[in-house]
Amino acid sequence: SYVLTQPPSVSVAPGQTARISCGGNNIETKGVHWYQQRPGQAPVLVVYDDSDRPSGIPERFSGSNSGNTATLTISRVEAGDEADYYCQVWDYISDHVVFGGGTKLTVL
Amino acid sequence: QVQLVESGGGVVQPGRSLRLSCAASGFTFSTYAMHWVRQAPGKGLEWVAVISDDGSNKYSADSVKGRFTISRDNSKNTLYLQMNSLRAEDTAVYYCSRVNVVVTAPLDYWGQGTLVIVSS
Repeated sequence: SYVLTQPPSVSVAPGQTARISCGGNNIETKGVHWYQQRPGQAPVLVVYDDSDRPSGIPERFSGSNSGNTATLTISRVEAGDEADYYCQVWDYISDHVVFGGGTKLTVL
Repeated sequence: QVQLVESGGGVVQPGRSLRLSCAASGFTFSTYAMHWVRQAPGKGLEWVAVISDDGSNKYSADSVKGRFTISRDNSKNTLYLQMNSLRAEDTAVYYCSRVNVVVTAPLDYWGQGTLVIVSS
């Protein structure tokens, strides 16, 4: 089955740029979606189809996808961005949703 | 506004059954595919199952295949998850989520979840 690999944690100072990677075999051929989950809350979609943003999501959130790695980039990081972030794809071979293991973003 | 409200969670003994419901409002339920996703305490997100907008197509994770059944009643705007032969490892918060028409689309709205605890 398809596997998505994320770093367990990323730390960044306020105002800096955070980059969270999501690795998968030939992931560039898939549409990657990203979710933010603050403690005690349900996940929220922040980027879909590699690089599109739902309405209401700040422009500071962006995404890219190339080769075997997709990346969520958060510019000008704020304390409120501290959360767990998950990447997700649809695996057409197994007809399954696949989530990455999640990355905890800490704002120093 | 879009609302998804899960219910039916609780404490259940191993081997028993439970049915979760997800009441949808604020959108045309019958035009959206729906997912169940779960999250064990302190763990990441785990996909459980998806059902197409008209209920004709269903897919589920290997970990629940043969035990869990996803279904929907478009006349009641409600999604269900019938969970049989429950195991301790099924303990989790269960979220319902919608996707726009096709099952491969992003999960754009999520409910707040309902907690299922499987314990003797």
